[in-house]
Amino acid sequence: GAGVSQSPSNKVTEKGKDVELRCDPISGHTALYWYRQSLGQGLEFLIYFQGNSAPDKSGLPSDRFSAERTGGSVSTLTIQRTQQEDSAVYLCASSLEAEGEQYFGPGTRLTVT
Amino acid sequence: QKEVEQNSGPLSVPEGAIASLNCTYSDRGSQSFFWYRQYSGKSPELIMFIYSNGDKEDGRFTAQLNKASQYVSLLIRDSQPSDSATYLCAVNSMDSSYKLIFGSGTRLLVRP
Repeated sequence: GAGVSQSPSNKVTEKGKDVELRCDPISGHTALYWYRQSLGQGLEFLIYFQGNSAPDKSGLPSDRFSAERTGGSVSTLTIQRTQQEDSAVYLCASSLEAEGEQYFGPGTRLTVT
Repeated sequence: QKEVEQNSGPLSVPEGAIASLNCTYSDRGSQSFFWYRQYSGKSPELIMFIYSNGDKEDGRFTAQLNKASQYVSLLIRDSQPSDSATYLCAVNSMDSSYKLIFGSGTRLLVRP
């Protein structure tokens, strides 16, 4: 079946612009996660959504970052006033249930110039 | 600080050999352990997960877990050049069990 999909695959933006990254989880998966992977760095947890529960936003690095998940499916990660340090690969993952195995999408490579 | 430690490598093995990848973790309460494979420029791919002490085998892969020693390993039998990748160990956080803490990965190189 279809895996996690993300768009765009690549995004180049100028410093100070806003960007939106989209994630479409595996159908039927209730949990959705966003991670960030910077060059040479490990994966960093950003945010977690589970059903209708309040999201865990504890990993968001600043208030310029926000995310929402509409209808329990598609999620959008928004970065306002982008900075060069925001350049990274943003990965979305989903799992069937809250503590289940997480499957990653192909990622969005964000480059802030 | 909860951590997951891996040797960055590269671990170089000849084709057909057994590759042994190791990971230690600091959170004694962790219950779920995962191995992901990541090819250069690609996203992580889940290859094994283990929740109980002991061994779990799936094809050429065996995951081994020792909670008392806070140690998890991945064995790859009959290594192939296509196994050359970075292998990420991930452990769930006891504070928030859905949150995975990743190691920095071990780069494996399988020589033809």
